[in-house]
Amino acid sequence: AQSVSQHNHHVILSEAASLELGCNYSYGGTVNLFWYVQYPGQHLQLLLKYFSGDPLVKGIKGFEAEFIKSKFSFNLRKPSVQWSDTAEYFCAVRAGNNRKLIWGLGTSLAVNP
Amino acid sequence: SAVISQKPSRDICQRGTSLTIQCQVDSQVTMMFWYRQQPGQSLTLIATANQGSEATYESGFVIDKFPISRPNLTFSTLTVSNMSPEDSSIYLCSVVFSSMAGELFFGEGSRLTVL
Repeated sequence: AQSVSQHNHHVILSEAASLELGCNYSYGGTVNLFWYVQYPGQHLQLLLKYFSGDPLVKGIKGFEAEFIKSKFSFNLRKPSVQWSDTAEYFCAVRAGNNRKLIWGLGTSLAVNP
Repeated sequence: SAVISQKPSRDICQRGTSLTIQCQVDSQVTMMFWYRQQPGQSLTLIATANQGSEATYESGFVIDKFPISRPNLTFSTLTVSNMSPEDSSIYLCSVVFSSMAGELFFGEGSRLTVL
């Protein structure tokens, strides 16, 4: 069965530290890849997405993610986090022509000022 | 992006009762979905709300427990029937505005607590 794995469930960083959140999926065909963010008390919103083309995708608020097909990975990165990045981050994958998104369990990021 | 409004935003209900959650979008959408987000767990798709026909349910979810309506392209309801404490969760409405490959947009969710 298709699945999405987020390696880190809880991450605590200090401001200005670099961030990398891992996301791996299990599907050998064409995929659409997403990172969503949920700030405290707010709704889920799209951070960035990959459909095709340049595997390095830039999103909002200085985030980026790199699709590495050979590793089935779509890791999220930010060179310097801020306290306002404290949130829950979800990786999601749409496999092939399936309309359904498969979601990771989420990573809770806390950034200390 | 459009505005997706869910009502109620939260509610506390008694065991055995039913609650209907509404989702209103301010523009027409291609697809509407209902998700459940339980504490410490991933998002789980309950069903796809189909306009003018019966919803398409995912494995583990049935129409008798979660009846869904979608009378037009901008509105849907999810009812949680005969509730038990295990139904305590956040219920999310999400929509796609373009093709199936489009991104999902989410409402703010309805936090349900069943006593």
